[in-house]
Amino acid sequence: NAGVTQTPKFQVLKTGQSMTLQCAQDMNHNSMYWYRQDPGMGLRLIYYSASEGTTDKGEVPNGYNVSRLNKREFSLRLESAAPSQTSVYFCASRAGAGDGYTFGSGTRLTVV
Amino acid sequence: QKEVEQNSGPLSVPEGAIASLNCTYSDRGSQSFFWYRQYSGKSPELIMFIYSNGDKEDGRFTAQLNKASQYVSLLIRDSQPSDSATYLCAVNAEAAGNKLTFGGGTRVLVKP
Repeated sequence: NAGVTQTPKFQVLKTGQSMTLQCAQDMNHNSMYWYRQDPGMGLRLIYYSASEGTTDKGEVPNGYNVSRLNKREFSLRLESAAPSQTSVYFCASRAGAGDGYTFGSGTRLTVV
Repeated sequence: QKEVEQNSGPLSVPEGAIASLNCTYSDRGSQSFFWYRQYSGKSPELIMFIYSNGDKEDGRFTAQLNKASQYVSLLIRDSQPSDSATYLCAVNAEAAGNKLTFGGGTRVLVKP
């Protein structure tokens, strides 16, 4: 099983450009999450989808949008990238409440 | 007060010794607890979970939970250089909508 697959693995954007980070899981998990990880800041939740058809804001949603395309896929969109969005982005999923998360391999994004 | 707190380290232990990591949490309604290992430049990997008070052992790892005192710990026996990583504590908090709340992580260095 592939688990949680994120694309791309690396990306460099210019300020103001837009892009979509893709995430897909093949474990039939209900819930999916987008985190960013910055040095000294730990993992911060951007958006999550508790189940197909629902999305909710996390701790740091400003500047981002998400789409739960179907049960497998949960994408994160940056409409107008800013240098403050330079980070490592992780997608995660889990089967249900009380379960641990399975993380994707991450996307390292640099905004110049 | 942070919801999940960990000493950032680094925790330096000699090869073969026991590494002891601690984590405290604030939500008394928390029901499930997880330890993740994250190597530099990689994604978090689930290594232990515990739901009930007491100890849970898995190979060289032991998780300990004390809900009355609101702490969870991880022991790594016979520490190896390959155990050098950052260890993240995560708590499933009802107050956070049953999402995982992560601590900032403890960096462990195992010296040969």
